[in-house]
Amino acid sequence: DTEVTQTPKHLVMGMTNKKSLKCEQHMGHRAMYWYKQKAKKPPELMFVYSYEKLSINESVPSRFSPECPNSSLLNLHLHALQPEDSALYLCASSQESIRGQSNQPQHFGDGTRLSIL
Amino acid sequence: KQEVTQIPAALSVPEGENLVLNCSFTDSAIYNLQWFRQDPGKGLTSLLLIQSSQREQTSGRLNASLDKSSGRSTLYIAASQPGDSATYLCAVWRGFRETSGSRLTFGEGTQLTVNP
Repeated sequence: DTEVTQTPKHLVMGMTNKKSLKCEQHMGHRAMYWYKQKAKKPPELMFVYSYEKLSINESVPSRFSPECPNSSLLNLHLHALQPEDSALYLCASSQESIRGQSNQPQHFGDGTRLSIL
Repeated sequence: KQEVTQIPAALSVPEGENLVLNCSFTDSAIYNLQWFRQDPGKGLTSLLLIQSSQREQTSGRLNASLDKSSGRSTLYIAASQPGDSATYLCAVWRGFRETSGSRLTFGEGTQLTVNP
């Protein structure tokens, strides 16, 4: 069992829908990450939060909106997505980061598999 | 732009064999390098993290080395077991002075199969 919990595990949505992905950890980690992973490809970093502040946004389209309401929770709000946004979305956390870059091992959730119709 | 290459793309070995996975990167201005494993349909599991000032890290049957000047890292797995079957990924964080491009770059991975 993973210590980083992601919900839902699967999500199917239309291009006009609004939905949110959720990520939760109770390890006291102060850095949290969102990744996007397409099939047979490595993950791509999207966002990094460090001490509940957004520290890295890797030029992600505004239809993806991250939120870190507290040190244990990380959300990814989705709106007006495109079919090419279908992917596995992974959340991770680590003990700390310096300027958003992890210098501690990251712990990953099992992801949310997102399909856009 | 940082490029990370992993060789081989796939590897199949009999149980008990020692093996080496390779990772190379084009920009030596890195902050650290991490090795992960990923099982099908799962997230990533961090195996070893090497800071840019370090040369190697060990955990159990795993040993990772880093030669920053030549842009290379290796992951050595001793006495391989069927449970080691997974995709192994290396990833590098860029140095703080780098302001353009992605801060974290993964290689394409090596798919390892250990046969009983």
